[in-house]
Formats: sequence, structure tokens, C-alpha cells
Amino acid sequence: DAKTTQPNSMESNEEEPVHLPCNHSTISGTDYIHWYRQLPSQGPEYVIHGLTSNVNNRMASLAIAEDRKSSTLILHRATLRDAAVYYCILRSESGGGADGLTFGKGTHLIIQP
Amino acid sequence: DAGITQSPRYKITETGRQVTLMCHQTWSHSYMFWYRQDLGHGLRLIYYSAAADITDKGEVPDGYVVSRSKTENFPLTLESATRSQTSVYFCASSPNRGPPYNSPLHFGNGTRLTVT
Repeated sequence: DAKTTQPNSMESNEEEPVHLPCNHSTISGTDYIHWYRQLPSQGPEYVIHGLTSNVNNRMASLAIAEDRKSSTLILHRATLRDAAVYYCILRSESGGGADGLTFGKGTHLIIQP
Repeated sequence: DAGITQSPRYKITETGRQVTLMCHQTWSHSYMFWYRQDLGHGLRLIYYSAAADITDKGEVPDGYVVSRSKTENFPLTLESATRSQTSVYFCASSPNRGPPYNSPLHFGNGTRLTVT
């Protein structure tokens, strides 16, 4: 499976935008880029996903580089409730083998009041 | 309420005992998954199921048994618990995995299992 690389941790201030980077230089043409987050003592929560174009939803925006070798999750105005571990995951359309998602270590986002 | 629920939330058991963790979803999702989460290893897939009566091994299936007689339930059984199975267990579900394979997974809030 194609791997992703994320910073171990990032810190931001409340009410400011947050840009969480993810590198995936070996991404294939059929890999979707998914983002999940895990709040303390909870299960992972879906945030957003995309293939080639930038995507927006009520939680965040996903900016995908033109060559698709990197992407950035954007939280437009962070709140204390956004403090979580954020996972960038590639999910292949071609499938095969075990289904589901392969989680890495993610980025621990710390929000300062 | 619709959703995915896991029970119990916390469980303490002794080495060698059998323990079953329950997972129930109300969406009629075809796919269901069991993950475990440990410090230093992150989330790892134990078993998954594509539909009732269809299950398959994930990354770390040894010591675990699953069944799926009904679409909505996906219990995970530790036949003879060991200390190394102390972990937080998460169940998840997702709709049919048809193209373009982008259905999100919905996770439960986990069961924290301690094996003494």
C-alpha cells in the first residue's frame, strides 16, 4: 500500500486556520486521499476525502497538489474541540486483500486557547 | 438512535478466559471491521466482514474469532485471553464498497479491555 508521511505534532492557536500537511509521493492514480481524526477517548471520525480536485465540507477543506504527491487538510478556524490526532490515509479503488483503512501514526494537533 | 454501538465500554478479564466484545450498527452497512489500538502501534485491523456470513482476516487476527450471522452484528471473541490482548478495540462499518471506493468508515467509541 502507498504510504503517507505526516508530522508527529503541530500546535496552533484557537480561532486561527490550521494547515495539516501529508506527503504521499508513491500515490497511485486510483488512490483516494482520506482524512480521519480521533478525539481523546473516542473512535476515529471521518473528516473528508478527495481524488484530484480540492474538496470542501462543513468540517474542513482538502487541498490536493496538482501532482497528487501531497495534500493539506485545512481547518479554517480551529477550536479547542479540534484538538485530536489527524490521520491521512490512502484508500485504493483497486482494492484486493484486506479491506478497510491502514492507519499510520497521524499528526497530534494541539490547540492553544 | 441510528449509529454504531459497542459493548461493554470497559472490561477486565483474566488470562485464559473467553470474552466477547459486541458491535451493533443500525445503518444496514455491508462492511464491518474490528481494529485494535495500542500505544506505539496505532490502529491495526483484526478482522473484517463484507456481508453476513462473510469474514476475512486483517493484519493481526491471531487469537481472535469473529462471526456475522446478521448484518447488524459483528461480535469479536477472544477465545483464551492473553495479556498481550490488553488494548482498546474499535468496531467500524461502511456501506457497500462499490466504485469509487470512497465510502467513509463509521467507528464506535471503543471497548477498553484489560487482561490481568
